[in-house]
Amino acid sequence: EVQLVQSGAEVKRPGTSMKISCRLSGSPFSDFYIHWVRQAPGKGLEWMGRVDPDDGEALYADDFQGRLTIAADMSTDTAYIELYSLRSDDTAVYYCATEKPYCSSTTCYDFKSWGQGTHVSVSS
Amino acid sequence: QSALTQPASISGSPGQSITISCSGTSSDIGNYNYVSWYQQYPGEAPKLIIFNVSKRPPGISDRFSGSKSGNTASLTISGLQSEDEADYYCASYTRKLTRLFGGGTKVTVL
Repeated sequence: EVQLVQSGAEVKRPGTSMKISCRLSGSPFSDFYIHWVRQAPGKGLEWMGRVDPDDGEALYADDFQGRLTIAADMSTDTAYIELYSLRSDDTAVYYCATEKPYCSSTTCYDFKSWGQGTHVSVSS
Repeated sequence: QSALTQPASISGSPGQSITISCSGTSSDIGNYNYVSWYQQYPGEAPKLIIFNVSKRPPGISDRFSGSKSGNTASLTISGLQSEDEADYYCASYTRKLTRLFGGGTKVTVL
């Protein structure tokens, strides 16, 4: 069974940056794309981007272009998200999730496994 | 890119059926059958309940069903139960290879 374990909560000042990790176990890391999704307090889910651990290729939502880096380390089966120039509206729970980038009888570009979430608070 | 459009809230009595709509465009839902639905309880991570428009992962109740017509996907919950009270989100693959979520629907069981 796939398990995703994320790093712990963070408190940040506006203008600084944050880095969260997500370690996968239970299945080959290279089988999946790792996506990052965030949820501001009382708000909905927002897709941020994803990385293909095989080649490190990342794809980002338009809203985060230039302010976000998503990377993966195949040696430790860990994905990372780094968000720069933090603002108060970046306060959210950040989730990583797995996706198999193809369709079969059991999957089709969906987020099957999720991390437990990492709370990030941005405040002066 | 704007989120997919879902009703903010839907309520129903136990035993009833409710349907949550998820409206997109020809750049996402209308052009791909890569629509999925997620159930989220407060303080928990989302859980996949429907993938590929209408398929259920193992262990998901057959009271949950999905469909799609044109640019709109739908999730139907039949035989509503108190445990179905949660937030529900649709998601779609897009023409730009990105993913897009709906704004979420809060389901209340009366």
